[in-house]
Amino acid sequence: GESVGLHLPTLSVQEGDNSIINCAYSNSASDYFIWYKQESGKGPQFIIDIRSNMDKRQGQRVTVLLNKTVKHLSLQIAATQPGDSAVYFCAENTGGFKTIFGAGTRLFVKA
Amino acid sequence: EPEVTQTPSHQVTQMGQEVILRCVPISNHLYFYWYRQILGQKVEFLVSFYNNEISEKSEIFDDQFSVERPDGSNFTLKIRSTKLEDSAMYFCASSAQGADNEQFFGPGTRLTVL
Repeated sequence: GESVGLHLPTLSVQEGDNSIINCAYSNSASDYFIWYKQESGKGPQFIIDIRSNMDKRQGQRVTVLLNKTVKHLSLQIAATQPGDSAVYFCAENTGGFKTIFGAGTRLFVKA
Repeated sequence: EPEVTQTPSHQVTQMGQEVILRCVPISNHLYFYWYRQILGQKVEFLVSFYNNEISEKSEIFDDQFSVERPDGSNFTLKIRSTKLEDSAMYFCASSAQGADNEQFFGPGTRLTVL
């Protein structure tokens, strides 16, 4: 069935270090993947996306890696800042109108 | 910058009452969505809406739920007879293209059912 999950519920990093948040998905038919950031009391905010015909995509300070062989998605945040503290969700879409979210990882950035 | 807005920010209701949650999507967007998030849990898809009809819905979206786009700007979610377990944050989202493109989320409505 469809499921998207995360390996770690919390991640604590030192300011300035790089962060890596991981996600596993089980639906091999998924072809579009998204990372969202959710700050306390706010709605999810799009960070970066990747389609299944790619294995890496870079944005500003963020990189998403997709490994279709093992159905694994990761978000790398370079030079993590206190403002990066939030819950991060991966999500997947199979080309239809339904987006499935993972469980979320809380990122703590220590100053 | 255009944004999705939602009202009210917090709705308190008694079990069995009807509630309507309102959303104003980004004006040139054509695809609309409702999600919910029970406190401390993941975001769950409820329904997507395009061209004045439901495109897809989840198993959560049963007969008690309905959506409507009553005019050119609003997108509403109605729960006919609320249950305690309907208590959650409800997020509206919109996208210019389909769900396999960037979706913009509103700030959410916190629904508390007593």
